[in-house]
Amino acid sequence: DAKTTQPPSMDCAEGRAANLPCNHSTISGNEYVYWYRQIHSQGPQYIIHGLKNNETNEMASLIITEDRKSSTLILPHATLRDTAVYYCIVRADGGYQKVTFGTGTKLQVIP
Amino acid sequence: ETGVTQTPRHLVMGMTNKKSLKCEQHLGHNAMYWYKQSAKKPLELMFVYNFKEQTENNSVPSRFSPECPNSSHLFLHLHTLQPEDSALYLCASSPSGTTKETQYFGPGTRLLVL
Repeated sequence: DAKTTQPPSMDCAEGRAANLPCNHSTISGNEYVYWYRQIHSQGPQYIIHGLKNNETNEMASLIITEDRKSSTLILPHATLRDTAVYYCIVRADGGYQKVTFGTGTKLQVIP
Repeated sequence: ETGVTQTPRHLVMGMTNKKSLKCEQHLGHNAMYWYKQSAKKPLELMFVYNFKEQTENNSVPSRFSPECPNSSHLFLHLHTLQPEDSALYLCASSPSGTTKETQYFGPGTRLLVL
């Protein structure tokens, strides 16, 4: 699996967009980019994933650069409940599932 | 609510005790996973079961013993644990265990070994 790099922490004002970056410079052509988040003491929650194109769902948007070496998760209007650790993950293709979580970005939404 | 439940949510045990963690998924998935999350460390994959067969064991000590009686249930049997085994233990499931699938996580069991 490709390794990902994320800033350890970020702050965001409530109501503003939170932009969380992730570098995955060694990503392979068939690897997907996944984002999960973990609110304190709870299990990780799936947010969004993509391969090449930008993706949007009810929770967030995912912007993947054209060379696929980095991506940004966008929470358009951050709320206090979005305070969590956000994990960016890339997965190798083939075989059974093995998800390797890094240390993530601790997002603090400030009132 | 993700369709994956874990019991108990909290567990305190001594090093000589034997206990079991239970995970149940109501999503019709065929793959289930155990993860360990220690304080300030990344999530660590422990075991993978696919169609009730163990397909991965990430060098987990034998004091952790998984059991998967059917595709909906997964157990983690604990015996003679060490204080460093204190952690959040997370269960997850996915449809068939292939790479591109989303995994759905339970709330976890917070374990304290005294």
